[in-house]
Amino acid sequence: SQTIHQWPATLVQPVGSPLSLECTVEGTSNPNLYWYRQAAGRGLQLLFYSVGIGQISSEVPQNLSASRPQDRQFILSSKKLLLSDSGFYLCAWSDGTGGQHFGDGTRLSIL
Amino acid sequence: DAKTTQPNSMESNEEEPVHLPCNHSTISGTDYIHWYRQLPSQGPEYVIHGLTSNVNNRMASLAIAEDRKSSTLILHRATLRDAAVYYCILDYNQGGKLIFGQGTELSVKP
Repeated sequence: SQTIHQWPATLVQPVGSPLSLECTVEGTSNPNLYWYRQAAGRGLQLLFYSVGIGQISSEVPQNLSASRPQDRQFILSSKKLLLSDSGFYLCAWSDGTGGQHFGDGTRLSIL
Repeated sequence: DAKTTQPNSMESNEEEPVHLPCNHSTISGTDYIHWYRQLPSQGPEYVIHGLTSNVNNRMASLAIAEDRKSSTLILHRATLRDAAVYYCILDYNQGGKLIFGQGTELSVKP
């Protein structure tokens, strides 16, 4: 069966520090991969999606970037974090025919 | 992007059916209707999706209006574990660019 892993579960970072969040998927090949952010309250915002290695589409202008160095690995990065980058970050995968399957998320706090 | 409208919150009693409504009057012909739910401090969980016909799976049923301008997620027998925020989302052509709204917060009373 397919599984998705995100780490770390929680992270506290100072303003201006770099960021790297990793997401990996097991049990499937060539998945579509997604990064979302959920601010306080409801509603998730799609940040990036990828349909293959090295193929990244950005949905909103922001301080973050994404990379897909391997088929089942999706990384969210920032060179310098802002206070507004705080939130709950979620990675998801799909096979393009049905629903998306989400990881457990990383709760990021910027101080 | 077509939008959806859901009630902000709903209440249900345990072991009773729950009907969660969603309006999507500007839906296009290739928009798939997806439902997800999110428990506190967890990632969303896929529930069900459909295009035109009603759909059933082990979690729920999806009833789609004939004109596709509304749909209803049906939980046949609510349990306390079904308390969550339920999101109704339109996925254009199964492209995967999901736009989450505010959803409906479902509370289940014992």
